[in-house]
Amino acid sequence: AQSVSQHNHHVILSEAASLELGCNYSYGGTVNLFWYVQYPGQHLQLLLKYFSGDPLVKGIKGFEAEFIKSKFSFNLRKPSVQWSDTAEYFCAVSMYSGGGADGLTFGKGTHLIIQP
Amino acid sequence: DADVTQTPRNRITKTGKRIMLECSQTKGHDRMYWYRQDPGLGLRLIYYSFDVKDINKGEISDGYSVSRQAQAKFSLSLESAIPNQTALYFCATSDPGDPSYEQYFGPGTRLTVT
Repeated sequence: AQSVSQHNHHVILSEAASLELGCNYSYGGTVNLFWYVQYPGQHLQLLLKYFSGDPLVKGIKGFEAEFIKSKFSFNLRKPSVQWSDTAEYFCAVSMYSGGGADGLTFGKGTHLIIQP
Repeated sequence: DADVTQTPRNRITKTGKRIMLECSQTKGHDRMYWYRQDPGLGLRLIYYSFDVKDINKGEISDGYSVSRQAQAKFSLSLESAIPNQTALYFCATSDPGDPSYEQYFGPGTRLTVT
């Protein structure tokens, strides 16, 4: 079965620090990859996605991610975090059937806390 | 107005009760999904539907059923609720014409089974 691993369950950083959240998936075929963010008390919002083209993708709020096919990885980065980045971050991978994507497989999430 | 809405937003129910969670969307998407979120486990797929006549089980469908009443409506039922079904439930939609398969999520329903 397809799986997604997020390396860090809890991360605490100070404002202006650089961020990298790891994500690895297990699937040998073509994948679509996503990072979603869930701010406290809110629903999931898409940060960025990769499905073709340039493996370095840029998303909202200064986030970016790099798809490295040989490493089955899709790590999320931000050069300088802000207090407002405090949230839960989920990496997700699409599954496929003959009719298209069946749904997303999510990692367990990373709880990021930014200290002022 | 939100594109994907869920009702109720919060619900407390007792063990053994039947409960229905509803999802409506105005995005015109054919595909709809139900997930549950548990702390430390991320989101897991319960059921998904590609159109009104196409319903499929996801990773954790036991104890749940669904109904796709129309393109815009997809309901999740717990026939006899149990405490380990306490979770945050999300509905999502996607457009089959979108090659990225991006999904759009509703605000969630927090369900507590006592």
